[in-house]
Amino acid sequence: QKEVEQDPGPLSVPEGAIVSLNCTYSNSAFQYFMWYRQYSRKGPELLMYTYSSGNKEDGRFTAQVDKSSKYISLFIRDSQPSDSATYLCAMSPLYNQGGKLIFGQGTELSVKP
Amino acid sequence: NAGVTQTPKFRVLKTGQSMTLLCAQDMNHEYMYWYRQDPGMGLRLIHYSVGEGTTAKGEVPDGYNVSRLKKQNFLLGLESAAPSQTSVYFCASSYLEDNEQFFGPGTRLTVL
Repeated sequence: QKEVEQDPGPLSVPEGAIVSLNCTYSNSAFQYFMWYRQYSRKGPELLMYTYSSGNKEDGRFTAQVDKSSKYISLFIRDSQPSDSATYLCAMSPLYNQGGKLIFGQGTELSVKP
Repeated sequence: NAGVTQTPKFRVLKTGQSMTLLCAQDMNHEYMYWYRQDPGMGLRLIHYSVGEGTTAKGEVPDGYNVSRLKKQNFLLGLESAAPSQTSVYFCASSYLEDNEQFFGPGTRLTVL
């Protein structure tokens, strides 16, 4: 069983829809949770970064962490065609030699005009 | 700032050939990483470095070697390429552990 599980999709939604992307994990030591966005044929770039449990909002994006359920989510409101990309969750423990991240498989999202 | 750059962008090798992928960063980051990305597998860490002159194994190190002779450069070598090494390779760097990793644009490698 992988440490981090993410539904690979693909996920296709109409423009303006609310999108929910999710990851589950098995390592209770994970404390840092990140979402990266990767456009086609590009490198990933950091979208959201949260520490421990709770919510974090940045414009149309909201990241949620539920450590009791070992479950994290990324919500995209009013989705736009420019949001079409692969979204990767990533996480790491509090004390992490070398700053290594564990990534999910990535979810491919397509937002149709 | 160029950020993280990777050379080359594309390469086709025959089985048994060798090559070196170069990663360079101009952000004075201590930590550097090499990942491979395969369909349905996400990003898997090959090797990483916590500073000039240091290297360590990641999740999938077999068949690869690395060197970090200068702080700004991190080299990934394939001594005898195999078709299983066909993948997209990403380099990343970060200033401190638990901070944001900045990724390069990737190298698409095909081994025939």
